[in-house]
Amino acid sequence: QLHLQESGPGLVKPSETLSLTCTVSGGSISSPDYYWGWIRQPPGKGLEWIGSIDYSGNTYYNPSLKSRASILVDTSKNQFSLRLNSVTAADTAVYFCARDIRAFDYWGQGTLVTVSS
Amino acid sequence: ESVLTQSPATLSLSPGESATLSCRTRRSVSSSYLAWYQQKPGQAPRLLIFGASSRATGIPDRFRGSGSGTDFTLTISKLEPEDFALYYCQQYSSSGFTFGPGTRVEI
Repeated sequence: QLHLQESGPGLVKPSETLSLTCTVSGGSISSPDYYWGWIRQPPGKGLEWIGSIDYSGNTYYNPSLKSRASILVDTSKNQFSLRLNSVTAADTAVYFCARDIRAFDYWGQGTLVTVSS
Repeated sequence: ESVLTQSPATLSLSPGESATLSCRTRRSVSSSYLAWYQQKPGQAPRLLIFGASSRATGIPDRFRGSGSGTDFTLTISKLEPEDFALYYCQQYSSSGFTFGPGTRVEI
């Protein structure tokens, strides 16, 4: 059974960079059949896709976040990561990682990141 | 104008009744790229339907997806107590993924 787990700081200061890692277990991130994505959900609001990456590092991003987001993959650790720079309070959200099959079929439990000084 | 609209915003029903949730896209979407999710408080979304009408692994057959073009429907027959939750549709296009605002199915 595929399992995804997000990790990273729960508190980030305004204007700094948010960094999260997703560790995949129960399957290989190196499969050419899948992409791996990040989705976020501000408290009490809906879902917003941030971007996705495949095992070789090919990425695609939400146009509204493309200038600030960067997703990397580390196949040796079966992990992929998200960096979002110049954060503001509007970036406060639960961040989920998920497997991208042009839908998201396996999800991590999510991690709350709060942007505050 | 939102890329995806969902209606109604809230659906108030009783266990045993059927629910019909609508998702409308601004532009025609390939049926291959329309999905539905269920989300309960404090949990990650769960994929119910992908490709507009294919049930994800482990999803009961009381969940049925249908539609094409710009109009898609999720039908839940004979609501069980655990079905009362928030439901999102999602489309994939050349611009990536977009989620609808959600429909809450409440008792």
